[in-house]
Amino acid sequence: DAGVIQSPRHEVTEMGQEVTLRCKPISGHNSLFWYRQTMMRGLELLIYFNNNVPIDDSGMPEDRFSAKMPNASFSTLKIQPSEPRDSAVYFCASSLRDNTEAFFGQGTRLTVV
Amino acid sequence: TQLLEQSPQFLSIQEGENLTVYCNSSSVFSSLQWYRQEPGEGPVLLVTVVTGGEVKKLKRLTFQFGDARKDSSLHITAAQPGDTGLYLCAGPLASNYQLIWGAGTKLIIKP
Repeated sequence: DAGVIQSPRHEVTEMGQEVTLRCKPISGHNSLFWYRQTMMRGLELLIYFNNNVPIDDSGMPEDRFSAKMPNASFSTLKIQPSEPRDSAVYFCASSLRDNTEAFFGQGTRLTVV
Repeated sequence: TQLLEQSPQFLSIQEGENLTVYCNSSSVFSSLQWYRQEPGEGPVLLVTVVTGGEVKKLKRLTFQFGDARKDSSLHITAAQPGDTGLYLCAGPLASNYQLIWGAGTKLIIKP
């Protein structure tokens, strides 16, 4: 298995632009997580899907953030409009439903200027 | 307030030395996981400890879960530059499958 695949690896965008981050989880994993990592706040859970259904989005910072999982093999995290304080590394992770061990992608480093 | 407190936050030592890092909580966890994250990569699972008092070894790394399942430690013997990274502990909330994360220990091993 190729593991969790995220794209793009790096994204630089101007403030106010829309940003879409993509994730392909490990085949057969039913849980998908989007995290944000910064030096100041560490690893923060943004949203958690189980069987493609959002279970907990309490970590999504604002309405500017939205996430979808249209099928078991694909998820997106969208920021619209983006702001400089959104600059961070965004990770997608997947796990088996009854196994909480998380497998992470390589992350997307987002810079909003 | 972090539910999982990791210490120290930062550690820089010479190759060949031994070290221990800690993950502590006032809450009981059914299990705790340790991950290592290298620069530019996502965290990678090293081990899961499940039973109170459990000790697991992974080459030069020894992981221990406290008897009360509220804390865990990671001991590295004869550290090598390849051990450099951010070490994160995480544990599942009792009510669902979400993981609670510590802030991590940033470890640098100097050659």
